[in-house]
Amino acid sequence: RKEVEQDPGPFNVPEGATVAFNCTYSNSASQSFFWYRQDCRKEPKLLMSVYSSGNEDGRFTAQLNRASQYISLLIRDSKLSDSATYLCVVNPTGNQFYFGTGTSLTVIP
Amino acid sequence: NAGVTQTPKFQVLKTGQSMTLQCAQDMNHNSMYWYRQDPGMGLRLIYYSASEGTTDKGEVPNGYNVSRLNKREFSLRLESAAPSQTSVYFCASSYSRGRGGEYFGAGTRLSVL
Repeated sequence: RKEVEQDPGPFNVPEGATVAFNCTYSNSASQSFFWYRQDCRKEPKLLMSVYSSGNEDGRFTAQLNRASQYISLLIRDSKLSDSATYLCVVNPTGNQFYFGTGTSLTVIP
Repeated sequence: NAGVTQTPKFQVLKTGQSMTLQCAQDMNHNSMYWYRQDPGMGLRLIYYSASEGTTDKGEVPNGYNVSRLNKREFSLRLESAAPSQTSVYFCASSYSRGRGGEYFGAGTRLSVL
């Protein structure tokens, strides 16, 4: 079983829509969780950490569900500039980070 | 503030040639990582260095070697390149043990013919 699994999409949504992605992880002892975005032919960039209590940064909300072992990312009022691939990352223990294969989002005018 | 700097950005090798990818970070991070990214596979860890003086294998270490030269620099060496090593390589760094996530360099696009 993969450490981290994501629906690859693609998700095609109109501007202004709300879209949500989920990501499941296999190691119940995992402690740290993150969302990254990656633009085409660019490096991944840290979008936000995911805390147990959930966290919000502007239009972006990340949540953790330990019982079901998934994290989610909600994007409200989608902008054209949100078009990218969103990577879910889990750090079980130690120094290794496990990346999902990413979910592709295209925001349509 | 440069963050993580990787060189070169592009490289074409012939099978059997060797090369070293360089990576340096100026964020005073303890941990550094080398990943490769292939279509449909996501990012896979090749090697990492938890701190200066230590290195450990990741998920796909075969065919690669690394050197943690000092706290700032972490290099990746391909001794005898193979077509299967055609990929995009990313160096990353983090404070340590999952704190604050990782910060990535711009990547090296490597083709092995």
